[in-house]
Amino acid sequence: EADIYQTPRYLVIGTGKKITLECSQTMGHDKMYWYQQDPGMELHLIHYSYGVNSTEKGDLSSESTVSRIRTEHFPLTLESARPSHTSQYLCASSFSRDGWAQEKLFFGSGTQLSVL
Amino acid sequence: KNQVEQSPQSLIILEGKNCTLQCNYTVSPFSNLRWYKQDTGRGPVSLTIMTFSENTKSNGRYTATLDADTKQSSLHITASQLSDSASYICVVSDRGSTLGRLYFGRGTQLTVWP
Repeated sequence: EADIYQTPRYLVIGTGKKITLECSQTMGHDKMYWYQQDPGMELHLIHYSYGVNSTEKGDLSSESTVSRIRTEHFPLTLESARPSHTSQYLCASSFSRDGWAQEKLFFGSGTQLSVL
Repeated sequence: KNQVEQSPQSLIILEGKNCTLQCNYTVSPFSNLRWYKQDTGRGPVSLTIMTFSENTKSNGRYTATLDADTKQSSLHITASQLSDSASYICVVSDRGSTLGRLYFGRGTQLTVWP
């Protein structure tokens, strides 16, 4: 069982609201990621971090922002939510010391976001 | 264009039966291939990680194969159980950068009926 937690599990909000999706891991992993997944579709990387104060944008253009002030915490923020942001958001973490060939991603249970 | 294609898109089998899921990829240069299981409403969980030199890898009732020459992989599930109902995702990484970019398939949705 992975020790990576996401809150909330479900969120329904109105357009224009600011929201923050929380992600925390207790495994001491240095790398953390945010993915977006729509039903029946592949995961798309939207943000990643290699350590504290390190954040990068992923492949999918996103209007969200992230921060990495502590190793265990990697929150994602949407300043002004829109219906196009409706999706499932998955947080993941990994340990670079494992070496890339064997590096295992551990995923949280996800946040299902619905913007009305 | 680097891609990962999975087939079938969905599959229904009876409990106790075996099944095989397919993954074809065009990712180059290749680093490793992973199979994940994703239960409905949950995050993916790693089943296997296979590098270029590995042809077969087992994890309980799950056996993954890799043919790096034809760029194909399969996941064989033996004696299926109801708890095997999930989406199975094939993920391929390249060696093009320090990130080791991941390419995700759309998954095969497996349903096991009693």
